[in-house]
Amino acid sequence: DAGITQSPRHKVTETGTPVTLRCHQTENHRYMYWYRQDPGHGLRLIHYSYGVKDTDKGEVSDGYSVSRSKTEDFLLTLESATSSQTSVYFCAIRTSASGANVLTFGAGSRLTVL
Amino acid sequence: AQSVSQHNHHVILSEAASLELGCNYSYGGTVNLFWYVQYPGQHLQLLLKYFSGDPLVKGIKGFEAEFIKSKFSFNLRKPSVQWSDTAEYFCAATGFGNEKLTFGTGTRLTIIP
Repeated sequence: DAGITQSPRHKVTETGTPVTLRCHQTENHRYMYWYRQDPGHGLRLIHYSYGVKDTDKGEVSDGYSVSRSKTEDFLLTLESATSSQTSVYFCAIRTSASGANVLTFGAGSRLTVL
Repeated sequence: AQSVSQHNHHVILSEAASLELGCNYSYGGTVNLFWYVQYPGQHLQLLLKYFSGDPLVKGIKGFEAEFIKSKFSFNLRKPSVQWSDTAEYFCAATGFGNEKLTFGTGTRLTIIP
C-alpha cells in the first residue's frame, strides 16, 4: 500500500457527533488527498493538501475540514456527522515524480452515520 | 467543467469473452488519463496510464487502453477476460500539471465462470 495507513478502518457513529479520520504515510510525499466513494458516484474529491498547512477544497468539501500539521499525517474531520456522510473514505498520495498525478490509495475507512 | 463519463454501469461477460469499457473525458489542453481497478473489498489499484506518446498503452494483467484524441476517449480493453477480473473499473483524468484527479462513476464488471 505504498506506506499509507488509514484509521479507523471502520466506524459507526451517530448523527451530530464529530468524527476524525486519519491518513498516515511513511514516504514523505508532498500531495495527499481525501476522496469519498459512493455507489453511482465513483470517487469524489473532498480536500487535498500540497504541503504542511497547505490545503484546498475538492468538489464535495461542504461539511468536511482537513488539517496537515506534519508531512506524514492528513486528517479529515466531520464536525457534525450527518447520514449523507455515510460512505467509504479513501486517502491517496501522489507518488509520481514526473509531475503527473499518479495516485496510490489507502485501504479505505468505512463510516456509517446512524 | 472537467468531467469523466463511463456509460457502462454494469457489464456481465463469460470467461474468455473480449472486453471493452468506455471512457470519455472533457478537458481542454493536455490530458493525463488513467484506469484504476478495485477488486471486491480492496482499495483502488492503478491498471494503466497515458501521459503522452503511443496512444495504445498496456497495463498490468493483460489490459490495454487506447487514447483517441478526436473522440475524447480512453477505452479499456482485454482480449480474453478471466473470472478474477471481476471488479469495479474507474477511468480518471487530469490536465497536465493539475493537482486534482477526476474520476468517472465506475463500471462494475462481473465475469461468469
